[in-house]
Amino acid sequence: QKEVEQNSGPLSVPEGAIASLNCTYSDRGSQSFFWYRQYSGKSPELIMSIYSNGDKEDGRFTAQLNKASQYVSLLIRDSQPSDSATYLCAVSGRGGGNKLTFGTGTQLKVEL
Amino acid sequence: GAVVSQHPSRVICKSGTSVKIECRSLDFQATTMFWYRQFPKKSLMLMATSNEGSKATYEQGVEKDKFLINHASLTLSTLTVTSAHPEDSSFYICSASLAGHDYGYTFGSGTRLTVV
Repeated sequence: QKEVEQNSGPLSVPEGAIASLNCTYSDRGSQSFFWYRQYSGKSPELIMSIYSNGDKEDGRFTAQLNKASQYVSLLIRDSQPSDSATYLCAVSGRGGGNKLTFGTGTQLKVEL
Repeated sequence: GAVVSQHPSRVICKSGTSVKIECRSLDFQATTMFWYRQFPKKSLMLMATSNEGSKATYEQGVEKDKFLINHASLTLSTLTVTSAHPEDSSFYICSASLAGHDYGYTFGSGTRLTVV
């Protein structure tokens, strides 16, 4: 069983729709959860971090965490073509200095 | 805040030569830096974790003599690919964090290494 699992996609959504990206993890001790966006040929860019169960909103992005189900998701509202990228889910222990474990990423395509 | 600078962004070298990649934390002191490599359309693979002033911890399967990591100061870590071969061609990315703080593990811009 992979430590962090994501559907590789591609996930295609029309412009203006909500894109829903999902991630499950196997280590119940994980405490920090991150979503990164990676454009082709570029390094990952932090989109959201979440540590507590529930929702966390930042602009058009909402991260959702359910530790009991070992599940974290990212919602992108009003999807734009510029959101087309690979989204990487990553988990770690809390407090910095702990290595991140990445999922394989979900490719998102926002179509005009 | 939490800016990580990585150089060079792109390098082409001949087989058998060595290449050094630098990773600097510009506005914070990074007690820990991580080095990743990424193959096309694949996720990031952690190569090693380096802590300032101590030896790096390498992940299983990563050759420590081939991928030399030095973390001599709180703002600089270097990765040297020694005796490079074409199979070492990859995208290398560093990230930095400060123990006890959560900067979201900021990544450098990455280095595209091509060995010919």
